[in-house]
Amino acid sequence: GNSVTQMEGPVTLSEEAFLTINCTYTATGYPSLFWYVQYPGEGLQLLLKATKADDKGSNKGFEATYRKETTSFHLEKGSVQVSDSAVYFCALIIMNSGGYQKVTFGIGTKLQVIP
Amino acid sequence: NAGVTQTPKFQVLKTGQSMTLQCAQDMNHNSMYWYRQDPGMGLRLIYYSASEGTTDKGEVPNGYNVSRLNKREFSLRLESAAPSQTSVYFCASRRKTSGGTDTQYFGPGTRLTVL
Repeated sequence: GNSVTQMEGPVTLSEEAFLTINCTYTATGYPSLFWYVQYPGEGLQLLLKATKADDKGSNKGFEATYRKETTSFHLEKGSVQVSDSAVYFCALIIMNSGGYQKVTFGIGTKLQVIP
Repeated sequence: NAGVTQTPKFQVLKTGQSMTLQCAQDMNHNSMYWYRQDPGMGLRLIYYSASEGTTDKGEVPNGYNVSRLNKREFSLRLESAAPSQTSVYFCASRRKTSGGTDTQYFGPGTRLTVL
C-alpha cells in the first residue's frame, strides 16, 4: 500500500533558522505530493503541492521538490518565523481504479519556533 | 464564502451515547470526506462521498455511519460511542467527483471526547 514517512518532532528552531522537514513516500503508480499546515486549533490548509517528478512547489517562503529517484518531498524554508509554528503534514494523493482520490497522510511534524 | 464548516467544535459523550457531527461546504464541491486525527497516526479516512447520493467506506469505518444529505452537507453519526472514538474529526471537500489532483479543503474540526 501507499505510505508517507515523516518525523513526529517536535522540531524546535530559533527564529531565522533554516528549516528542513523530511518526507519520504512509497506508492504504486504516480502520486501527487502535498504539504499541509495545521495551526493550533484550526483545520489543515494546503501549503504547497507538486504533481510530477522534478516539480517544485512553493508558497510563503516554503519550498519542496518532488524527487522520484529518492521518493522524497522534503519541506524547506530559509528563515523561519514564530508565526510558522504549526504542525506540518506531508501527503500523497493517487487515484484508485474507481476514480476515487485516495489521500495518505504522514503523522505530522510539529514545528516550534522560538524568538 | 465560509468554505467548510463543522458543528459542534467540541463535544463530550458518555459511552453508549449517540451523536451526529455536521459538515457543510459552500464551494459547490462534489466530493466530501470525513477523517479522524489521532496522535502519532496522522489523518485516517472514515467515509467519503464522491458525489451527491453516494457514500463509501474509507480505512476506519467501523462504528460510524454517514449521510450525504445534499450536495452541501455530509454528516457523520456515531450510533453508540466508545472511548476509542475519542479523536478530532475533520470534514473535507473537493471540487471534482473523480480524477485530477485538485486539493481537498478542510473544516476546522470537531474535538470529541468519549468517557
